[in-house]
Amino acid sequence: DAGVTQSPTHLIKTRGQQVTLRCSPKSGHDTVSWYQQALGQGPQFIFQYYEEEERQRGNFPDRFSGHQFPNYSSELNVNALLLGDSALYLCASSLQGRDGYTFGSGTRLTVV
Amino acid sequence: QQQVKQSPQSLIVQKGGISIINCAYENTAFDYFPWYQQFPGKGPALLIAIRPDVSEKKEGRFTISFNKSAKQFSLHIMDSQPGDSATYFCAASPNQAGTALIFGKGTTLSVSS
Repeated sequence: DAGVTQSPTHLIKTRGQQVTLRCSPKSGHDTVSWYQQALGQGPQFIFQYYEEEERQRGNFPDRFSGHQFPNYSSELNVNALLLGDSALYLCASSLQGRDGYTFGSGTRLTVV
Repeated sequence: QQQVKQSPQSLIVQKGGISIINCAYENTAFDYFPWYQQFPGKGPALLIAIRPDVSEKKEGRFTISFNKSAKQFSLHIMDSQPGDSATYFCAASPNQAGTALIFGKGTTLSVSS
């Protein structure tokens, strides 16, 4: 049973560019959440998608946007990249209304 | 943003010893408190979780102790092993299942053999 799959694993971008990160949830899960984890910090909630809609959003600017597809997979888009966006981006899937996320291994984004 | 404060930042324990990590929260609406374990290069993995209707939950060598009045909870790892060396995060979320988790800053545990 495949867990949460994220791609790519590593990415280097230049300031001002745009980036798209991808996530396939664990089989049977219908909800996808995205977190940003800066080096040495705990993950911070970006947003959550269910039924192809953004259901909850954390304290992130609207440069961060997302999408969920009918097969429950999801994308995270970040526009106008800043150096401070360098972090590990984690995707977590769950079943709507149930506790317990399953996290992927993340995408390490470096902005230079 | 509501905070979850975690301590200590790092911890060194001898093999066979007890590792204790503490967390405190502010928001009384929080009612789900999980602990996650993260190894380098991996995402966090759920270890154990508790809701405020119980004061303690044990799963194998891992125990959560919960003090609702003090708004504190802790993770105890009994008989700590070198394989337990990882970063541990406490987290909390308000009273709706599956909503956003607020994480602590993490504790790096090293278990020496």
